[in-house]
Order: sequence, then C-alpha cells, then structure tokens
Amino acid sequence: KQEVTQIPAALSVPEGENLVLNCSFTDSAIYNLQWFRQDPGKGLTSLLLIQSSQREQTSGRLNASLDKSSGRSTLYIAASQPGDSATYLCAASANAGGFKTIFGAGTRLFVKA
Amino acid sequence: EAGVAQSPRYKIIEKRQSVAFWCNPISGHATLYWYQQILGQGPKLLIQFQNNGVVDDSQLPKDRFSAERLKGVDSTLKIQPAKLEDSAVYLCASSLDVGEGPHNEQFFGPGTRLTVL
Repeated sequence: KQEVTQIPAALSVPEGENLVLNCSFTDSAIYNLQWFRQDPGKGLTSLLLIQSSQREQTSGRLNASLDKSSGRSTLYIAASQPGDSATYLCAASANAGGFKTIFGAGTRLFVKA
Repeated sequence: EAGVAQSPRYKIIEKRQSVAFWCNPISGHATLYWYQQILGQGPKLLIQFQNNGVVDDSQLPKDRFSAERLKGVDSTLKIQPAKLEDSAVYLCASSLDVGEGPHNEQFFGPGTRLTVL
C-alpha cells in the first residue's frame, strides 16, 4: 500500500533563502508525481508534474526532481518570497489495483519578510 | 479556459441531515475525482470516474456516501446521513485522462467546506 510522507511538516525561512521540500513514497511503481500549492481556505494549485520517465521539471523559481529508485522527490524553491507562504503538497499516482492518487500531509511554509 | 467549478462553497448542517455537492470539471476532461480533506491532512481520494464509469471507489464509505457522474460531465457527491466526522473540505479535480503521460495532470476546484454540528 502506497504511503507518502512529507518532511518537514512546517518550515519558516527568511526572505531570499533557497529551500528544499521533501516527499518520500513507499511504492516506486508510480506513473507520476505532482506538486501542489494550497493557500488557506483555497483549493490546490498545480505547480509541477513529473512523469515516471522524467528526472526533473522546472517552472520559474521552482524545480522538482524525482528519484523513483529511492522513492523520493524534492521541490526546490529559489530566492523565496513572502508570497510563497502556503502549504505544499505532493501526490503520487500509481496503477495499483486501479489508478490511485495518494497525497502527503503537506509542508507548511512561512517566508518572513 | 474555465477551471473546475464547485458549489456550494460552504455548508453547515446538523448530524443525520443530508447534503449534496456539485462539480463541473474542465471542459473535455474525461477523468473526475472527489477528495476529502480533513484539517491538517492531505486530500484523500473518495471516488474517481472515467467518463461516467467508476474507476476507483475503494475509500468511499458506501453506507452513507454516494456519487454519480451522469453523461460523463458534471458530478454530484451526496452524504446521507451526515456524521460529525464528515466535517471536512470536499475537493473536486479533473484531468484529461488517466495513466501514463502528461494528460493525467490534475486540476482542482476551490472546494466545499462542510461543517456538521
């Protein structure tokens, strides 16, 4: 059974710092891993989608990597800004008895001005 | 391109009452998902449709929850009767398709916040 873990649960950094959010999954037979951002009281906004055949994806100041063999993905945020403050969630999708998407509990990020 | 639409945005009901949520996915998206997100946790998949057929409903509490997607477009999720532990945000998402490939990127609606008293 797939389990997705995100560490740390919360993170507070000063503005301008580069940071890394971690996501680990127990079943490496995934077909994609997706990173989302969730602002308080809002839905999820898709940030990056990495297919199983890919190693990384980049969008602006964000870079996500995927290492299936070790069951890990990282989201790198460069030059953090107060507007980056939100909860970041990762989700692993796999064909395991049906197509299933399993989410981590998220990392709550606070960027101090 | 319009995003995923959900209504209502908020709902407060007494336990044992019934409630229904509505979702309109992005036009052309074959796959529709309903998730339950309890405060402080990640979303949990309740049910997944491919067009108007159910792909996965293994985590749907079928004694009280039901969902349908008539004509393969809009979907409704119903809870009857509601319990206190059903208090959560109910999120709807859609994707072009499911399985390998970039077409499985999921896009989410704003969610419905349910409070059961």
